Amino acid sequence: ILNVEQSPQSLHVQEGDSTNFTCSFPSSNFYALHWYRWETAKSPEALFVMTLNGDEKKKGRISATLNTKEGYSYLYIKGSQPEDSATYLCASSGNTGKLIFGQGTTLQVKP
Amino acid sequence: DVKVTQSSRYLVKRTGEKVFLECVQDMDHENMFWYRQDPGLGLRLIYFSYDVKMKEKGDIPEGYSVSREKKERFSLILESASTNQTSMYLCASRAGPGPSYEQYFGPGTRLTVT
Repeated sequence: ILNVEQSPQSLHVQEGDSTNFTCSFPSSNFYALHWYRWETAKSPEALFVMTLNGDEKKKGRISATLNTKEGYSYLYIKGSQPEDSATYLCASSGNTGKLIFGQGTTLQVKP
Repeated sequence: DVKVTQSSRYLVKRTGEKVFLECVQDMDHENMFWYRQDPGLGLRLIYFSYDVKMKEKGDIPEGYSVSREKKERFSLILESASTNQTSMYLCASRAGPGPSYEQYFGPGTRLTVT
């Protein structure tokens, strides 16, 4: 079983702060890296799916990078807003198609 | 929009009861998944299905079974519920067979076994 680690476990920031989280995954047999946002009382929602080394994706104020050779991905949030408060999950997959999830990073943005 | 629905948001059952958790998706996805989420742990895969009547064990299948009689419906069955199966259960579906396809999740069922 792959081990996917996320850090930090939780984060409290002020509105307007920029922040980033890390996802580490085994680089061998890598196929895809997923980021999901899970807001309280809602369904987890996909943010990004990344497959190529050096890939960078952006959605509004949120962006992610991928380094498959060293086995890490960063998620950045620029100018955090209270509505960004959520748990951010990353998951890695080999060619089996099964996702292995990290423990998540819980972000709290204070107004 | 893809919609994945789960039959209950909250469920309380007694030890030894047979429990059915139902999941329905409306986008004709072939792949469906059941996960459980516990504090301090990531989502862990219980079972998945690539197509109707097909099922494969995930990482923690013990104490569970599944049923997929129709493409849109994937059921998780706890044959004899135990307290260590108290957890949040999430169903997901995926449009394609490969890991580069995103998964669409239901809202979860929080099951308490007393």
